[in-house]
Amino acid sequence: QKEVEQNSGPLSVPEGAIASLNCTYSDRGSQSFFWYRQYSGKSPELIMSIYSNGDKEDGRFTAQLNKASQYVSLLIRDSQPSDSATYLCAAGDSGGYQKVTFGTGTKLQVIP
Amino acid sequence: SAVISQKPSRDICQRGTSLTIQCQVDSQVTMMFWYRQQPGQSLTLIATANQGSEATYESGFVIDKFPISRPNLTFSTLTVSNMSPEDSSIYLCSAVGRENTEAFFGQGTRLTVV
Repeated sequence: QKEVEQNSGPLSVPEGAIASLNCTYSDRGSQSFFWYRQYSGKSPELIMSIYSNGDKEDGRFTAQLNKASQYVSLLIRDSQPSDSATYLCAAGDSGGYQKVTFGTGTKLQVIP
Repeated sequence: SAVISQKPSRDICQRGTSLTIQCQVDSQVTMMFWYRQQPGQSLTLIATANQGSEATYESGFVIDKFPISRPNLTFSTLTVSNMSPEDSSIYLCSAVGRENTEAFFGQGTRLTVV
């Protein structure tokens, strides 16, 4: 059973701080990893994808991947109240099937 | 990224009836998927919609309950059959494009069965 684990939170950070979201995955063969943001009552929105070890930056977001540790993280710099949402981590199927397994999500609250 | 239109956006249905959800993508995509998201939970994959052949269902989901069609590379439907209150959930269509592996989602269908 392929699993993606996340702390459900809520993770509370003050406005302007760095929010750090973490995720581990069980399928050692996974090659693609994604972070989605989901506002309450809305569908998931892709924020970042990462495929190689190391960091990938896009604006205020940085995704980090460590395949040896089977660990993925998302850093949000200068957190804003509008960042308050549930963040879903997902890992692509190792069979190259483009199917992904989602974690249960971490709820982030940015306090003004 | 692909733009995915899903309808209806929400519906309230009587138990024992069926609802068909439509998913239209604005470009040809290789893979289309149907997910369910129950209240407070993450996304659970129901099935992969295969173009021109039967869908591939995940463990716990069967074709009689969730028949799926995919007549072409841009369109798919999911039917929730013989509904019960336990089927109340958000149903999401997802697509993966030809050029990449990122999955994009439709806006979802919020189903309530009474």
